[in-house]
Amino acid sequence: GENVEQHPSTLSVQEGDSAVIKCTYSDSASNYFPWYKQELGKRPQLIIDIRSNVGEKKDQRIAVTLNKTAKHFSLHITETQPEDSAVYFCAAQLSGYALNFGKGTSLLVTP
Amino acid sequence: GAGVSQSPSNKVTEKGKDVELRCDPISGHTALYWYRQSLGQGLEFLIYFQGNSAPDKSGLPSDRFSAERTGGSVSTLTIQRTQQEDSAVYLCASSVTGTGITGELFFGEGSRLTVL
Repeated sequence: GENVEQHPSTLSVQEGDSAVIKCTYSDSASNYFPWYKQELGKRPQLIIDIRSNVGEKKDQRIAVTLNKTAKHFSLHITETQPEDSAVYFCAAQLSGYALNFGKGTSLLVTP
Repeated sequence: GAGVSQSPSNKVTEKGKDVELRCDPISGHTALYWYRQSLGQGLEFLIYFQGNSAPDKSGLPSDRFSAERTGGSVSTLTIQRTQQEDSAVYLCASSVTGTGITGELFFGEGSRLTVL
């Protein structure tokens, strides 16, 4: 199945700074790339996703970029706030197959 | 209920016993996943039910693990002869899409399994 690598595993930024999380995938035919946020003690929730026919997608302070040639995609969070502190998971899917997640990035935003 | 429901929320068992974990997806959702999350770890894929197609069982870690989905709705994950390394939170998720791209997954609260 699809193999997703995620970096870094932990990330600490100061409030107001930007945070970037990067993921790579193994199957060049994968065509769906969501990002999930899991706050402490809660269930993962979708925050943004992108399909392979799009290079970038933005939703307020978060954006995702996709480089199909290099098989990597990134999550960008600008103007970080303490409530952004959580574990973020990237995932990749080839249509018709299972959605596979990376191992997660624990983001800490300090005031 | 409006969300994905899982039971039990907590299960403590002795090594060697069998356990069953239940997932009740959102009504009308065709896709159903089981993931395992160990302490501080990622979301490990276990099994994927996609509409009426044969399930993708490629993530099941051993033949002690099995799952079924009856009538396209409720799913049961069974772990036989539990081992201590099976201790984890087992998360179920469903989505409205049955084939192709999964789309947004809605997760349950999880079943926390502790094997003594």
